[in-house]
Amino acid sequence: EVQLVESGGGLLQPGGSLRLSCAASGFSFSSYDMHWVRQVTGKGLEWVSAVHTTGDTYYPDSVKGRFTISRENAKNSLYLQMNSLRAGDTAVYYCTRGSPGGDAFDIWGQGTMVTVSS
Amino acid sequence: DIQMTQSPSSLSASVGDRVTITCRASQGISSWLAWYQQKPEKAPKSLIYAASSLQSGVPSRFSGSGSGTDFTLTISDLQPEDFATYYCQQYNSYPPTFGGGTKVEIK
Repeated sequence: EVQLVESGGGLLQPGGSLRLSCAASGFSFSSYDMHWVRQVTGKGLEWVSAVHTTGDTYYPDSVKGRFTISRENAKNSLYLQMNSLRAGDTAVYYCTRGSPGGDAFDIWGQGTMVTVSS
Repeated sequence: DIQMTQSPSSLSASVGDRVTITCRASQGISSWLAWYQQKPEKAPKSLIYAASSLQSGVPSRFSGSGSGTDFTLTISDLQPEDFATYYCQQYNSYPPTFGGGTKVEIK
């Protein structure tokens, strides 16, 4: 079964750091671009970062310089290092797979909650 | 960034109805458009990619059309399990961006 399972969410104070992980199974992880997408409770979806099979990484301006996406193909794992966290980063973070031929997100994990609050 | 505008933001419909949701891009995106379904407390589920291609396992009552800037998602013969929020997403260029969502509620 194709599956993505996130972990690492939690409650932390503004300015703190957190590392999210995503374990992939059931497909050839190294062959796919991977992404993080987040969702504030009750709100819409926001793309957060991407790492392509080439290792190239992409970020929106809202997290550039604070978040770092990485992958470890040998462990079928995706990561998101989040630094200098703000209250506005509070959201459910989803790990997603980019579909072949384009960055439609065809497989999603169940999500992990990150809460930034003093 | 490309802005995606969905309409309506919500709608009420009955089982068996035909429902159409529209999505407009702020600039041309060819057919690089996807649709997702999200139920409360669940992760989004991919329905359609490349504007009109159905993901494997998605019922044929879902269909997508359009190219350029204007797109539609149609649900024919609405079923009880289809009551959810639907999002469009462009992947023509970075950053990928989503529409604000359309909540389909039971009338």
